[in-house]
Amino acid sequence: NAGVTQTPKFQVLKTGQSMTLQCAQDMNHNSMYWYRQDPGMGLRLIYYSASEGTTDKGEVPNGYNVSRLNKREFSLRLESAAPSQTSVYFCASSERPPTQLYNSPLHFGNGTRLTVT
Amino acid sequence: TQLLEQSPQFLSIQEGENLTVYCNSSSVFSSLQWYRQEPGEGPVLLVTVVTGGEVKKLKRLTFQFGDARKDSSLHITAAQPGDTGLYLCAGGTATNKLIFGTGTLLAVQP
Repeated sequence: NAGVTQTPKFQVLKTGQSMTLQCAQDMNHNSMYWYRQDPGMGLRLIYYSASEGTTDKGEVPNGYNVSRLNKREFSLRLESAAPSQTSVYFCASSERPPTQLYNSPLHFGNGTRLTVT
Repeated sequence: TQLLEQSPQFLSIQEGENLTVYCNSSSVFSSLQWYRQEPGEGPVLLVTVVTGGEVKKLKRLTFQFGDARKDSSLHITAAQPGDTGLYLCAGGTATNKLIFGTGTLLAVQP
């Protein structure tokens, strides 16, 4: 049972380059999320998708775009990478909608470690 | 902006010792979740507490939600090397958002 799968695991970009982080879940969850994790700052929500075909901004959406390709897949795109986007990116999914996360666990992938030079 | 501060930020102890990790805020939360994150992996949910004063036990781990629902603690008895990891609390807000704490990095030495 794979759960949430993220690719790639590691990536180094130069300032201005673009890339897409891929995420897929096999738990038939409706809701999917992208977080970034920085030392001493916990996890911050970038974008989320409550269901196929919908996406919404989270706490730190600037510089990112997302696509909910289908129920399984949710991708995160950096159009013009900046050093401030150096971080570990986590994709997550949940059985319940974002408004009910207080009563529903988030299932996380193993992350993508991105360095922008 | 609601913030969740965790303390201590880092903790290194010997196997067999007890420890407590704190998660504090000036805001009220509807619920409080605790996650553990092992190196190179994503966080995994340990427990959810929803009632002020609630105490939940998970083997050697004891979780408590403060009476006023502004703080929480995680106590580990007789820590083992397998307890090593980053412990994150996450609070459910009145606007149905989930806010993560700053994290406590625990290292248990054998």
